Amino acid sequence: AQKVTQAQTEISVVEKEDVTLDCVYETRDTTYYLFWYKQPPSGELVFLIRRNSFDEQNEISGRYSWNFQKSTSSFNFTITASQVVDSAVYFCALSDINYGGSQGNLIFGKGTKLSVKP
Amino acid sequence: EPEVTQTPSHQVTQMGQEVILRCVPISNHLYFYWYRQILGQKVEFLVSFYNNEISEKSEIFDDQFSVERPDGSNFTLKIRSTKLEDSAMYFCASRRSGTSGNTIYFGEGSWLTVV
Repeated sequence: AQKVTQAQTEISVVEKEDVTLDCVYETRDTTYYLFWYKQPPSGELVFLIRRNSFDEQNEISGRYSWNFQKSTSSFNFTITASQVVDSAVYFCALSDINYGGSQGNLIFGKGTKLSVKP
Repeated sequence: EPEVTQTPSHQVTQMGQEVILRCVPISNHLYFYWYRQILGQKVEFLVSFYNNEISEKSEIFDDQFSVERPDGSNFTLKIRSTKLEDSAMYFCASRRSGTSGNTIYFGEGSWLTVV
């Protein structure tokens, strides 16, 4: 069965601190996708990144970076120099890789609530 | 940038009433989804829809739920007889197809309150 664990329920940091959100996943599939979504207080789900299991290169996008380690089944997310606008709930999610109509469903973790204080 | 749009943004309904939540997926997308998020909890998969039929559904998606694509643009979720525990944010989502189409994009959600 597929499962995503985000052990950190809530994290609070002061602006400009770096923060890492942990994500550990379980799957029997050899190929899969991993995602991070951001849910700001307004409630919508904002796509941040998709990473497939073939590619273990770390990725950086501005202040955001992601560390994918297949050996430990982890896909951690780091925000550098955090800002108040980063305050949100962040969800890690997993899906299989197939292209038929029944595939691509996301399994979400419980989310980590990040509060960035000025 | 194209986006998934949902209406209404918030609906209050009495227990036992029928509710229809509407969604317009991104126009070139072929796969459509409904997810649910009870307040403070994780996002849960309800149903996926492709080629005008349900392709997968979760245990949550019981007989009181149905989905429909009545025309070329709308995708609806109907809850026949709402219960208090149906109160949640309902997200519509869609994705394209093919090797680069496996990102699911979400709408802003419809918040349903059953009283």
